[in-house]
Amino acid sequence: EAGVAQSPRYKIIEKRQSVAFWCNPISGHATLYWYQQILGQGPKLLIQFQNNGVVDDSQLPKDRFSAERLKGVDSTLKIQPAKLEDSAVYLCASSFSGPNTGELFFGEGSRLTVL
Amino acid sequence: DAKTTQPPSMDCAEGRAANLPCNHSTISGNEYVYWYRQIHSQGPQYIIHGLKNNETNEMASLIITEDRKSSTLILPHATLRDTAVYYCIVRGLRANQAGTALIFGKGTTLSVSS
Repeated sequence: EAGVAQSPRYKIIEKRQSVAFWCNPISGHATLYWYQQILGQGPKLLIQFQNNGVVDDSQLPKDRFSAERLKGVDSTLKIQPAKLEDSAVYLCASSFSGPNTGELFFGEGSRLTVL
Repeated sequence: DAKTTQPPSMDCAEGRAANLPCNHSTISGNEYVYWYRQIHSQGPQYIIHGLKNNETNEMASLIITEDRKSSTLILPHATLRDTAVYYCIVRGLRANQAGTALIFGKGTTLSVSS
């Protein structure tokens, strides 16, 4: 079974530039999550989608971060303009939604360095 | 904020059992206990979860106390590849069946040595 795909794996930009990350979840998984993981910390939820609708985006810095999940499959996370403190690994995860909501499957992440 | 408390680090000798504790004294009746681990430079990986009964799978065993205020993850025969950060997470289910997202704390860094 193919896992969660993310790209790019690594990205280096200068502050005030923009960047976009792409995620392709496991086929059939209705729920998709974006997490931010700063070095030395646990992952922090940014946004959760159910199909193409937003379930929770309370932790998303909406002045600079945006995310969309068109057609309820792939998702894109964008940062514009980037700040130094946005340097982190951006993790995408997906899960099957049902009465016994199960495990989350994570991608390998996209590592962002802002100079 | 994370609803769990874990020791920041633990050591274990290769081949021995690793017992990772977790306190979740404010857990609600409909919340599950999940364990994930994160090996360096990889995304978190699901290990096991339970509600109130002890659980076992091919990776680990989960022991939940009767009052559900704490639990222990047991890796029966730790190997060097088990060196990772282990996260204990409590998670409820939403009425709309989407499930709540995992809220990660800082986890326990387990170091397995030969």
